[in-house]
Amino acid sequence: AQSVSQHNHHVILSEAASLELGCNYSYGGTVNLFWYVQYPGQHLQLLLKYFSGDPLVKGIKGFEAEFIKSKFSFNLRKPSVQWSDTAEYFCAVINPGSARQLTFGSGTQLTVLP
Amino acid sequence: DAGVTQSPTHLIKTRGQQVTLRCSPKSGHDTVSWYQQALGQGPQFIFQYYEEEERQRGNFPDRFSGHQFPNYSSELNVNALLLGDSALYLCASSLPPDRGGGYTFGSGTRLTVV
Repeated sequence: AQSVSQHNHHVILSEAASLELGCNYSYGGTVNLFWYVQYPGQHLQLLLKYFSGDPLVKGIKGFEAEFIKSKFSFNLRKPSVQWSDTAEYFCAVINPGSARQLTFGSGTQLTVLP
Repeated sequence: DAGVTQSPTHLIKTRGQQVTLRCSPKSGHDTVSWYQQALGQGPQFIFQYYEEEERQRGNFPDRFSGHQFPNYSSELNVNALLLGDSALYLCASSLPPDRGGGYTFGSGTRLTVV
């Protein structure tokens, strides 16, 4: 069974700092990868996704992620965070052969201090 | 606007009772998946419905059951509620597996079992 690990449970940054959130997955075959964000009291929103092609994926709100197949990683990055980026971030993976069952990591709470 | 509508927003039930949660998918989506998100954890896959049938199921007991209607809306039923069933229940809609597309999540139903 596939699994997703997010090693940082809580990250605290000051505004304008750079962000990198780690995500590793266990499945060795073809995968589709996602980052979702959950702002307080709101629904999960898709930040970006990787299906194939360029391993550097750009998403909304200035976020990007890099797929490194050899490391089974899909880390999320942002060069300069804002207070409004305070939220919980979830990495997720689909094995395309699994009827599109999303497997989520445990999430990383990002707090950005003004 | 999430596009996926869930009701009710909040619910308090007593241990041993039964509960029904409802989900209306995003327009154009015909696949509905249900997830349980316990406090401080990532969403866990419960099951997925397509063409009114359960297509895949996660590691949840038979107390969790569902249904999909001809208009693609869905219900999640939980019998014999336990305190541990307290969680945020998320519904996600999508296109079927062979048509790609990402998931759209609803805002969830917060279930508290006392």
